[in-house]
Amino acid sequence: AQTVTQSQPEMSVQEAETVTLSCTYDTSESDYYLFWYKQPPSRQMILVIRQEAYKQQNATENRFSVNFQKAAKSFSLKISDSQLGDAAMYFCAYRGLVGNQFYFGTGTSLTVIP
Amino acid sequence: NAGVTQTPKFQVLKTGQSMTLQCAQDMNHNSMYWYRQDPGMGLRLIYYSASEGTTDKGEVPNGYNVSRLNKREFSLRLESAAPSQTSVYFCASRRQLETGSSTFGSGTRLTVV
Repeated sequence: AQTVTQSQPEMSVQEAETVTLSCTYDTSESDYYLFWYKQPPSRQMILVIRQEAYKQQNATENRFSVNFQKAAKSFSLKISDSQLGDAAMYFCAYRGLVGNQFYFGTGTSLTVIP
Repeated sequence: NAGVTQTPKFQVLKTGQSMTLQCAQDMNHNSMYWYRQDPGMGLRLIYYSASEGTTDKGEVPNGYNVSRLNKREFSLRLESAAPSQTSVYFCASRRQLETGSSTFGSGTRLTVV
């Protein structure tokens, strides 16, 4: 089974600064999808950004961008101009191209300091 | 659109009791999933249904059963609840041909005492 590792249980960032959350994964598949989900205290899982492995260009969504390194099996999330509303648990997730299963990391709790 | 709706949002059970968690989606998605979330463990897949009429085990299926009642609804049943099943349960759905992301419900916090 694929594994997803988030090695940073907790991170903090000053408001308006930039923070990078790390994620590595293990797979033997060549095509797959990677995701970052945000879970605020409301518990709702919210999709932040997705990356298709066959695309070399890193995905970007407003202040959120990824650094996708396929050979290194690394998928980090960069949050620019951090805002108080960014405080949440962030989960990295993997899904194969054909299969139906998502594999999630254990999460990184992000605190934004005013 | 309501998206994915889970009921109830909170539940306390005694050991040995049974209950069914309900999930419904109104996005015409083919695949539906049940996850549990425990501290330090991330989300783990319990069961999923790739399409109406099919169900498959995920990573942690023991102690659970599911029913894909129709395309909209996917229920999770605990026949004899155990304290180890205390967790937050999430239902999710995904359109088969979409690029891959899932839409999640808001979760059910279940406590088994």
